[in-house]
Amino acid sequence: GQQVMQIPQYQHVQEGEDFTTYCNSSTTLSNIQWYKQRPGGHPVFLIQLVKSGEVKKQKRLTFQFGEAKKNSSLHITATQTTDVGTYFCAGDKAAGNKLTFGGGTRVLVKP
Amino acid sequence: DAEITQSPRHKITETGRQVTLACHQTWNHNNMFWYRQDLGHGLRLIHYSYGVQDTNKGEVSDGYSVSRSNTEDLPLTLESAASSQTSVYFCASSGQRDRSNEQFFGPGTRLTVL
Repeated sequence: GQQVMQIPQYQHVQEGEDFTTYCNSSTTLSNIQWYKQRPGGHPVFLIQLVKSGEVKKQKRLTFQFGEAKKNSSLHITATQTTDVGTYFCAGDKAAGNKLTFGGGTRVLVKP
Repeated sequence: DAEITQSPRHKITETGRQVTLACHQTWNHNNMFWYRQDLGHGLRLIHYSYGVQDTNKGEVSDGYSVSRSNTEDLPLTLESAASSQTSVYFCASSGQRDRSNEQFFGPGTRLTVL
């Protein structure tokens, strides 16, 4: 079956620094979504990428979808304490909104 | 405002008991999903539904069942609870089957099976 892997599993970041989390699918995707889950909370949608090579920005967050539509990345610049949480990518293979989630990257920010 | 709710928020039960977790959404969404979240495994899909009377198995469906009798509700039933089903359960909904839309998640139910 389809697998979605995320690395790293944990990311300790000094406040103000940048970091990137990576997502790789075993199969070509129709689209990929990213979610953020704060500690003790539920996943909240951040963005959806559909086109090969697509790049989208949300303030300090930059999302990329690979040319082959099998990988994606999330880059956060100037990390803040509000960025704490777990970031999940979720791949949709057939545009039916049936998502396969990666294991997540748990981000911890050191002030 | 539209929302998605889950009940109960916390549940402790014993091995072998039948348990039903409720999920109710007022978005009027066609699609509804049940996930479980365990450390090291992220979110895994249990069952999903694309509309009334439609249900489908996800990747970890053994020991679980769902029914969709109306648009708003997708209850998840554990037929005979096992300790391996101790987890946090999330329900989610989204708009249309032929478009990939964001999924809106409920607050979760923490289930402990003793």
